[in-house]
Amino acid sequence: GAVVSQHPSWVICKSGTSVKIECRSLDFQATTMFWYRQFPKQSLMLMATSNEGSKATYEQGVEKDKFLINHASLTLSTLTVTSAHPEDSSFYICSARVPGGWGTEAFFGQGTRLTVV
Amino acid sequence: SQKIEQNSEALNIQEGKTATLTCNYTNYSPAYLQWYRQDPGRGPVFLLLIRENEKEKRKERLKVTFDTTLKQSLFHITASQPADSATYLCALVWDFGNEKLTFGTGTRLTIIP
Repeated sequence: GAVVSQHPSWVICKSGTSVKIECRSLDFQATTMFWYRQFPKQSLMLMATSNEGSKATYEQGVEKDKFLINHASLTLSTLTVTSAHPEDSSFYICSARVPGGWGTEAFFGQGTRLTVV
Repeated sequence: SQKIEQNSEALNIQEGKTATLTCNYTNYSPAYLQWYRQDPGRGPVFLLLIRENEKEKRKERLKVTFDTTLKQSLFHITASQPADSATYLCALVWDFGNEKLTFGTGTRLTIIP
């Protein structure tokens, strides 16, 4: 199957700093990628839809100025958590579908564990 | 708003038995429904997809059913093995024009040797 790679796998940062998470589709081009957040023992919550070459679409309640998404190429989307605070500590996961893959599986990255201290 | 419930937060099954997980949703039926497996600290991995006009799908030891009248999907693992222990998530796509996945709360399955 297709591979989606996320980097880093884990990161610890100080409160007030910014952190960038990368999501790459390794063997296919993804015009759309999705970013999720997962708190312990909870399910995945969609944060935003990342569209190549255009602005991301954010879910209700997600601050777009805090969670900056850039989808500059067909294989890379980045999520930057700006001015991170301890409450932003979570597991962030991206996903993508193979083009033309409507109604098919989503491929997920391995996730990034963010801890803000 | 749409709600998805997986009614068992945790489920313990004896090795060799069939594990059955439930996913219930409210309001209108989704375009299709998927089941994913998630191991601790990892992203979900796709298992099966079933469309609104399908009743049942199988893949090796896995079987998914979809009952739009009951607004329910059942996920079965037959001849369960300790390696099947993981969290299982159902995910729904509500309409054909929007492929966002909405995930259920998940069921943590433990297969006891």
